[in-house]
Amino acid sequence: GAGVSQSPSNKVTEKGKDVELRCDPISGHTALYWYRQSLGQGLEFLIYFQGNSAPDKSGLPSDRFSAERTGGSVSTLTIQRTQQEDSAVYLCASSLTQGGTGELFFGEGSRLTVL
Amino acid sequence: DQQVKQNSPSLSVQEGRISILNCDYTNSMFDYFLWYKKYPAEGPTFLISISSIKDKNEDGRFTVFLNKSAKHLSLHIVPSQPGDSAVYFCAASYMYSGGGADGLTFGKGTHLIIQP
Repeated sequence: GAGVSQSPSNKVTEKGKDVELRCDPISGHTALYWYRQSLGQGLEFLIYFQGNSAPDKSGLPSDRFSAERTGGSVSTLTIQRTQQEDSAVYLCASSLTQGGTGELFFGEGSRLTVL
Repeated sequence: DQQVKQNSPSLSVQEGRISILNCDYTNSMFDYFLWYKKYPAEGPTFLISISSIKDKNEDGRFTVFLNKSAKHLSLHIVPSQPGDSAVYFCAASYMYSGGGADGLTFGKGTHLIIQP
C-alpha cells in the first residue's frame, strides 16, 4: 500500500514477555518516528530515525525499549520484559525529511495490551 | 513538564456552528505548529499548519490562528459538520530555529463532538 503500514494491529501479551512491533514507512521517506499514546494521554515521542541512525533516543521510557531500522526502510520497536504500564497504542510515522518540517504520515498503530 | 497543552479534553458543538479548539505552548523555541485529526482506530492525519512568521492560515473551513506573545494557537472550524467529530491534536516543533530534531511535540488532544 501507499501509506505507513504497522503490524501487528493488536497484540495481547503476558507481563514479562518480549514484543516486537513493526513499521513499514512510505517508500522514499527518510525520517521515521515512533510515538505512543497511552490511555487518556497525548502522543508521546519515543524515537526517530534519519536513515538507519537514531540521533535522539531520549524519548525511550526505559532500557527495556529499543528500536532499529534497516535499509533505511522497515523499523522494529522491541519491548523486553513487558510491564502493564507499557500498554498503549504505538504509532509509527514517516516523513520526507527529518525534524518537524511539516507533515508526518502516521500508520494506524499497534495496540499493545500487557496482562 | 508538558510543553504543549490542550486544556479541554472534550468539546461539544452544534452542527453548523463554529468549533474553536485551543492550544497553549510553553517553549518559545517552537516555530512551527500543526493540527492533526484522529478518528478512532486510525492514525492521526495532518490537517493544517502555521509557521511563526504568520498569525493566520486558512484552508477551506479550517483556520489556524497563532498568537506568539501569548504562546497560544487555536483552530477554528466553520461551519462544523458531523464528520468533524474526532480527536484533534495540536503539535509543535522547531522548523526554522535549527534545534530539536526529534519530530513533533503533541498535546493530549481535544475530543470534538459535533451534535446534529
